[in-house]
Amino acid sequence: DIQMTQSPSSMSASLGDTVTINCLASQDIGNYLSWYQQKPGKSPKLMIYGATNLEDGVPSRFSGSRSGSDYSLTINSLGYDDEGIYHCHQYYEYPLTFGSGTKLEIK
Amino acid sequence: EVQLVESGGGLVQPGRSLKLSCAASGFTFSDYNMAWVRQAPKKGLEWVATISYDGSSTYYRDSVKGRFTISRDNAKSTLYLQMDSLRSEDTATYYCASEGLRDVMDAWGQGASVTVSS
Repeated sequence: DIQMTQSPSSMSASLGDTVTINCLASQDIGNYLSWYQQKPGKSPKLMIYGATNLEDGVPSRFSGSRSGSDYSLTINSLGYDDEGIYHCHQYYEYPLTFGSGTKLEIK
Repeated sequence: EVQLVESGGGLVQPGRSLKLSCAASGFTFSDYNMAWVRQAPKKGLEWVATISYDGSSTYYRDSVKGRFTISRDNAKSTLYLQMDSLRSEDTATYYCASEGLRDVMDAWGQGASVTVSS
C-alpha cells in the first residue's frame, strides 16, 4: 500500500500568514494527489486535484506543488475561514490512501 | 447542484449487518465511479470501497473484503454499502463520494454514522 506521510500534524498561524502543509508519498504517484479541507462535523471539501490544480470556487490563495514524491499545499493570506483539518490523498492506485491530516488553527 | 445523501446508519451489535444507501442527484449518476470513505471518531479518512460507473468493477480495502459489498442501482441513482459481520473497529462516519471526470472524489455526502457496540 502507498503510505502518505503528512506533516505537521497540527499548526497554529496568524491572520494574514502563509502556511505550508506537506505530504510525502512512499512511492511514485505521479500527479494523482489531492487536498481536502474538512471543518468540524462536515464532510471533506476538495481544494486541489492533480497535485497543482485548483478546484472550481476555491480561492486562489490556495496552491499545490510537487517536488518528486513531496507534495505541498500552501495557503496565503490566512483567514479565519481557513481553519480546519487538511488531508492529502493519493488516487494513483488501490487501495486509495490518505495522509493522517493537519489541523490548522488560526490564532 | 450535486447532492449526495446517505442514510441507513445507526447502532448495531457486533456480528450483525447494516446497509447504507446514498441517493445521488444533480448529475448523471451512471457516468461516474462512486466510493465509500469512512472516518472513525477523531481519526483520519479511510477509503473503504469503490465501484465503477456501470457496476462491473469493485475494489475494497483488505479489512472489509468478504464482509462489505458495494453496489449501485443506476436506474435509482443510488449507491449502497452492505456491511456484514460488523466489528467495533467499523465504527465511523461513512461518506459516499463521486469520482468526477478528473478521477478524484470531488463531491461528498454529509455522512452516515455507524456505531458497532453491544
